[in-house]
Amino acid sequence: GAVVSQHPSWVICKSGTSVKIECRSLDFQATTMFWYRQFPKQSLMLMATSNEGSKATYEQGVEKDKFLINHASLTLSTLTVTSAHPEDSSFYICSARGGGGGTEAFFGQGTRLTVV
Amino acid sequence: DAKTTQPPSMDCAEGRAANLPCNHSTISGNEYVYWYRQIHSQGPQYIIHGLKNNETNEMASLIITEDRKSSTLILPHATLRDTAVYYCIVRGQGGKLIFGQGTELSVKP
Repeated sequence: GAVVSQHPSWVICKSGTSVKIECRSLDFQATTMFWYRQFPKQSLMLMATSNEGSKATYEQGVEKDKFLINHASLTLSTLTVTSAHPEDSSFYICSARGGGGGTEAFFGQGTRLTVV
Repeated sequence: DAKTTQPPSMDCAEGRAANLPCNHSTISGNEYVYWYRQIHSQGPQYIIHGLKNNETNEMASLIITEDRKSSTLILPHATLRDTAVYYCIVRGQGGKLIFGQGTELSVKP
């Protein structure tokens, strides 16, 4: 399958600072990218959907000013967690999909964020 | 988005077929059924997807009932490395993949 690379794999930051997570599709053009987060022993929760060159669409309850998403090219999307707090500590996962009605989405390996 | 219902957990003996069921009784005509799995602390891995017909690839087979209200993922010869949480997802409007709780499959020696 196609490869989606996420960076960094893990990060520790101080409370109040911002953290940027990158998601790259390595061998295909991702017209749509998705960002999820996952708390321990829970399922993935969709945070937002972004299309290249457009503003991201956030799911209900997700603060768009706190979780900044940029999808400036067909191979790169970034998620910036601004003014991080300990409750933002989670596993963040991106997913990328090319065009087409039945096209599958591929996932990155995830980023473990710990805010101290 | 159509909801899916899966058993929370299942066991399977190594080398035997693992049959994972999924109910999606409210699926609409143009929605696909996708299966992903997640091994602990990793991103989900795509397995297979289908619309109406049964599908098979190198990883698994997907059997969709004629009324499309349920499906079964079949791992023909389960190995210990197949131990994971398996998610059945109906792809909704805009192509979003909404994850339910999935089935935790334990393959035992």
